[in-house]
Amino acid sequence: NAGVTQTPKFRVLKTGQSMTLLCAQDMNHEYMYWYRQDPGMGLRLIHYSVGEGTTAKGEVPDGYNVSRLKKQNFLLGLESAAPSQTSVYFCASRGTGFGTQYFGPGTRLLVL
Amino acid sequence: QKEVEQDPGPLSVPEGAIVSLNCTYSNSAFQYFMWYRQYSRKGPELLMYTYSSGNKEDGRFTAQVDKSSKYISLFIRDSQPSDSATYLCAMSAMTGGFKTIFGAGTRLFVKA
Repeated sequence: NAGVTQTPKFRVLKTGQSMTLLCAQDMNHEYMYWYRQDPGMGLRLIHYSVGEGTTAKGEVPDGYNVSRLKKQNFLLGLESAAPSQTSVYFCASRGTGFGTQYFGPGTRLLVL
Repeated sequence: QKEVEQDPGPLSVPEGAIVSLNCTYSNSAFQYFMWYRQYSRKGPELLMYTYSSGNKEDGRFTAQVDKSSKYISLFIRDSQPSDSATYLCAMSAMTGGFKTIFGAGTRLFVKA
């Protein structure tokens, strides 16, 4: 039981490049989330999904897109990376009702 | 004004000290109050949560919620060097799909 996994762990991009971050969970959770964490800002919600095939915008969605084609996977895409997107990205999942959010180990992204 | 305010610290204490970590919030709809612990270069993990007002104790950790003051606290007794981490408060309301708002996190150092 791996919990929540994220790929890749670390990536360096040049401004304007694109990439996709993959999140996978094996707990059969309905809800999945993408956050970014910056010094002094805490965790800020980018996008989230309440079930397979659904997505919704969070607090800071601009410059990102997401897809949830399969229940266990939640993809975060950057179409044209900017230095302001340098951050640590965390994926999380939880079941229905109130419950613990389980976080992945994070992806460190540096945009030059 | 942020919905959740948390002093980022850092807070440095000697081993064995009692640690008090606090958050204030502005949204009276919050009903679930959580504390996450995040070790360096790891994802956050839930430490404990409280529903509505009151206290909850788990070993050396005690969480308190004062809804009238919109103030929550986490106390750590007999602090250990292994408690050195960032502690994030988080809050959810039953409306909006239990969307969780996180504080910025307080960095804690416990010196041996």
